[in-house]
Amino acid sequence: EIVLTQSPGTLSLSPGERATLSCRASQSVSSSSLAWYQQKPGQAPRLLIYGASSRATGIPDRFSGSGSGTDFTLTISRLEPEDFAVYYCQQYGSSPFTFGPGTKVDIK
Amino acid sequence: QLQLQESGPGLVKPSETLSLTCTVSGGSISTSNYYWGWIRQPPGKGLEWIGSISYSGSTYYNPSLKSRVTISVDTSKNQFSLKLSSVTAADTAVYYCARPWVVWGRGTTVTVSS
Repeated sequence: EIVLTQSPGTLSLSPGERATLSCRASQSVSSSSLAWYQQKPGQAPRLLIYGASSRATGIPDRFSGSGSGTDFTLTISRLEPEDFAVYYCQQYGSSPFTFGPGTKVDIK
Repeated sequence: QLQLQESGPGLVKPSETLSLTCTVSGGSISTSNYYWGWIRQPPGKGLEWIGSISYSGSTYYNPSLKSRVTISVDTSKNQFSLKLSSVTAADTAVYYCARPWVVWGRGTTVTVSS
């Protein structure tokens, strides 16, 4: 099983600032099958990024993903008020599909 | 627009079987090359993939739950279902169905308690 570790656990930033979230895998993620999700309280996760760097339909271009192998990054270039949420990474290249523990981005 | 909706009992007794159904609307569950899945999230915790099924019935499960999980599909009703046996309080969670990984249902809360 591929274990995903996310850092930091919490990121306290102000609107307009840049957010950089990290996801590290215990072994290489095949075919860059790495996704990022945003989740707000009481809501289902929302797919932001798939294939490590492709934005899902309707996702603003302030969200970008990068990385390969075992190290991946989600960057939010300028935080908007609606971006404060929990972010999860997930690998879907190897069963069982696994999620990271999440990074909470909150308002400083 | 494809939509998924979970349904089932919100309260299940310990040792009993949790049963949930996901109804797919706005599209056919029989669309080839797609799998359909279940994911859960205990209160205040992260996400756990439970398992997935194709329209033809091919399944694969999380090994941590495999001995207790059955996922099935009913193409005539455009639904797929989850059964989790011998539940305990640790199975209390919000259960989501999804068409991996773009479309998710809103989730349904299941509490295991006597």
